[in-house]
Amino acid sequence: QKEVEQNSGPLSVPEGAIASLNCTYSDRGSQSFFWYRQYSGKSPELIMFIYSNGDKEDGRFTAQLNKASQYVSLLIRDSQPSDSATYLCAVIGLTDKLIFGTGTRLQVFP
Amino acid sequence: DAGVIQSPRHEVTEMGQEVTLRCKPISGHNSLFWYRQTMMRGLELLIYFNNNVPIDDSGMPEDRFSAKMPNASFSTLKIQPSEPRDSAVYFCASSHGDGTPGGFGQGTRLTVV
Repeated sequence: QKEVEQNSGPLSVPEGAIASLNCTYSDRGSQSFFWYRQYSGKSPELIMFIYSNGDKEDGRFTAQLNKASQYVSLLIRDSQPSDSATYLCAVIGLTDKLIFGTGTRLQVFP
Repeated sequence: DAGVIQSPRHEVTEMGQEVTLRCKPISGHNSLFWYRQTMMRGLELLIYFNNNVPIDDSGMPEDRFSAKMPNASFSTLKIQPSEPRDSAVYFCASSHGDGTPGGFGQGTRLTVV
């Protein structure tokens, strides 16, 4: 079992819709959870982090964490074509290593 | 804040040659990470340092790979000898070590021919 798992996609949504990206992790002791966005040919950039169960909102982005289910998600409201990118879920466990999923490619079409 | 600085941005080398990648972390960060990204395997952690000490190098693929962090502001990743399958983008990242990554460098695109 991979430490961090994501559906590779692509996830295609129309402009203005809500995009829902999901991630599961295997280390039950994980404490910190991150979402990165990576445009083609660029480096990953941090867009959200969450440490506690529940929701965390930042503009059009909402991160959701459920530690009991070992599940973290990212919702993007009012999706724009500029949101088209690969979204990487990353988790820090008890070893203090930042481990990435393989990413979900999001396509927002006009 | 200059961010994480990597050099070179691109490197093309012949199989068998030594390659050295360089990274300057964000000032004040005490954790540094080297990642490799390929289409097939995604973003893989190779090694990470905390306070200049290698904490986990279990991701280093072979003895051909080595990494050093002689001081808090500089790290190198060396491949000797290089092979075509080492072709990838290598990223360096740094953090405060408290679980909050400070960011990634722009990466070094390595091509071994």
